[in-house]
Amino acid sequence: LAKITQPISMDSYEGQEVNITCSHNNIATNDYITWYQQFPSQGPRFIIQGYKTKVTNEVASLFIPADRKSSTLSLPRVSLSDTAVYYCLVGSGAGNMLTFGGGTRLMVKP
Amino acid sequence: DAMVIQNPRYQVTQFGKPVTLSCSQTLNHNVMYWYQQKSSQAPKLLFHYYDKDFNNEADTPDNFQSRRPNTSFCFLDIRSPGLGDAAMYLCATSRGGAGGNNEQFFGPGTRLTVL
Repeated sequence: LAKITQPISMDSYEGQEVNITCSHNNIATNDYITWYQQFPSQGPRFIIQGYKTKVTNEVASLFIPADRKSSTLSLPRVSLSDTAVYYCLVGSGAGNMLTFGGGTRLMVKP
Repeated sequence: DAMVIQNPRYQVTQFGKPVTLSCSQTLNHNVMYWYQQKSSQAPKLLFHYYDKDFNNEADTPDNFQSRRPNTSFCFLDIRSPGLGDAAMYLCATSRGGAGGNNEQFFGPGTRLTVL
């Protein structure tokens, strides 16, 4: 079972790029890395997913080094509405082993 | 819009009194999950259904049970709620396999209070 750690909190300012790193030293061969965003009193919402190297979509990029023991979520030019908790999820393609990191509380200031 | 619906959004029960939380989906996804999320903590997977196959996490207490009568509905039963079971309960769905390579769609959650 992957042990997953993230920084507890981060502060940023509007318009800056934010990088949140997740450590998953025990990641298994079949595990994917997924990032979710959660606002208060709401369910998490999918941001991006990857297995290795770099993935980019319309809202974020995900960087995964060759050893896959960490991953970095990159949010370009954050706005106040990006203030939320961001979770890294590491999961096995085989099923049951889905583990969330502790979450990173991002505060975006004006 | 296709979505995951949880009812009720807020549930209050008494210590030891059975309670049932419900989840429905219009996404026609074959996998449904139940998570427990305590205050300021990450969601913790309790169990999931892959179609009709029930998959329990090893550390999920026996006090928690689940039923999935059809593709669209899934229920979480807490047989004897304790004070430590007060939490947000999240239902999620995904298409295809119940693995980490499938995007999960979460409902808004049911916040359970145990008195």
